[in-house]
Amino acid sequence: NAGVTQTPKFQVLKTGQSMTLQCAQDMNHEYMSWYRQDPGMGLRLIHYSVGAGITDQGEVPNGYNVSRSTTEDFPLRLLSAAPSQTSVYFCASTGGRVTGELFFGEGSRLTVL
Amino acid sequence: QQQVKQSPQSLIVQKGGISIINCAYENTAFDYFPWYQQFPGKGPALLIAIRPDVSEKKEGRFTISFNKSAKQFSLHIMDSQPGDSATYFCAASRNNNDMRFGAGTRLTVKP
Repeated sequence: NAGVTQTPKFQVLKTGQSMTLQCAQDMNHEYMSWYRQDPGMGLRLIHYSVGAGITDQGEVPNGYNVSRSTTEDFPLRLLSAAPSQTSVYFCASTGGRVTGELFFGEGSRLTVL
Repeated sequence: QQQVKQSPQSLIVQKGGISIINCAYENTAFDYFPWYQQFPGKGPALLIAIRPDVSEKKEGRFTISFNKSAKQFSLHIMDSQPGDSATYFCAASRNNNDMRFGAGTRLTVKP
């Protein structure tokens, strides 16, 4: 079972470059989200989606764009990378209206120079 | 401003001891309180969760204690083992959406 798949696992960017972090899930989950993990800050919600065509902002949305054209995919776009966006990014999904369990990918480590 | 505050930041426990991690929340609309476990290089994984209609939930060596009036909940790991060494995150959400996490606790269990 693939679960939640993130690509790439590692990426180095220069300031001002743009890129897209890919996230795909094969569990037919309605809800998907992106978090960033920084030391001492825990996991902070960037954007989330409750279904295809619907997205909303989380705690730290500035500098990031998302779209949800299909149930399976939820890409995260960095429009103009900044050193402050150096982080580990996690995509997560859930289909559980009762349990609410989030299933996480293995993360994408991004370094912005 | 973090909506879920977690302590301690790090914790060292001897094998066989009890590990206790505490969390406090502000938003009374939260209705789901999970704990996640994360090993290095991996994504977090659900360990145990509770809803505010009960004060305690136990699964094996792991117990959540929940105090609704104090807006606090805690994770107790009984008979801690070296394999429990990981980072633990508490979290809270409303209607299973928009889950907010604490800053994390790095647990080390010494053999």
